[in-house]
Amino acid sequence: GAVVSQHPSWVICKSGTSVKIECRSLDFQATTMFWYRQFPKQSLMLMATSNEGSKATYEQGVEKDKFLINHASLTLSTLTVTSAHPEDSSFYICSALLAGERTQYFGPGTRLTVL
Amino acid sequence: GENVEQHPSTLSVQEGDSAVIKCTYSDSASNYFPWYKQELGKRPQLIIDIRSNVGEKKDQRIAVTLNKTAKHFSLHITETQPEDSAVYFCAASRVTGGGNKLTFGTGTQLKVEL
Repeated sequence: GAVVSQHPSWVICKSGTSVKIECRSLDFQATTMFWYRQFPKQSLMLMATSNEGSKATYEQGVEKDKFLINHASLTLSTLTVTSAHPEDSSFYICSALLAGERTQYFGPGTRLTVL
Repeated sequence: GENVEQHPSTLSVQEGDSAVIKCTYSDSASNYFPWYKQELGKRPQLIIDIRSNVGEKKDQRIAVTLNKTAKHFSLHITETQPEDSAVYFCAASRVTGGGNKLTFGTGTQLKVEL
């Protein structure tokens, strides 16, 4: 149980284009999802907290107009990287929280490469 | 906000030896401390966690200890095997005022040599 999927697993795009990443909880409802970014050989850095039916809460230094987050249902959150640039190339990972629990279940990640 | 420090950054042990990774945290209100194992290019996987009302927890070859007074917690892996080789992350979170957000340590690259 507690499986989280992400799509796509990898994407290559041109500079200036937008990319949408989906995060789904497959067998449970997640009232809260989190989006992380991980650069090579570095730790996971929280970008934002996504709550179903409300606006996402962004961490300091993360541009909300560049990283659009939509949590439209209890099983789906999306992250859209708008006007992507090479410096946005990274490993983006989502996680989902079961209501009433503390454990975050992570998706498999999406490798974004911006040319 | 919370700050989590993790040491060492790399750790090399012989198969069968024990490995210890240590973390310290800054927010005394943090009350949940998970450990994740991440293989290259893969998702972090929870291997063990501990809550602030417990001082020690063990699951087969893996154990975690927590010292709330000193604000540090440690991961202990005994009888290490080559498949234990990975990056290990500690993390800390609080519910009240923290929204269950995890703050991760910087990671430890564990290499178990034959």
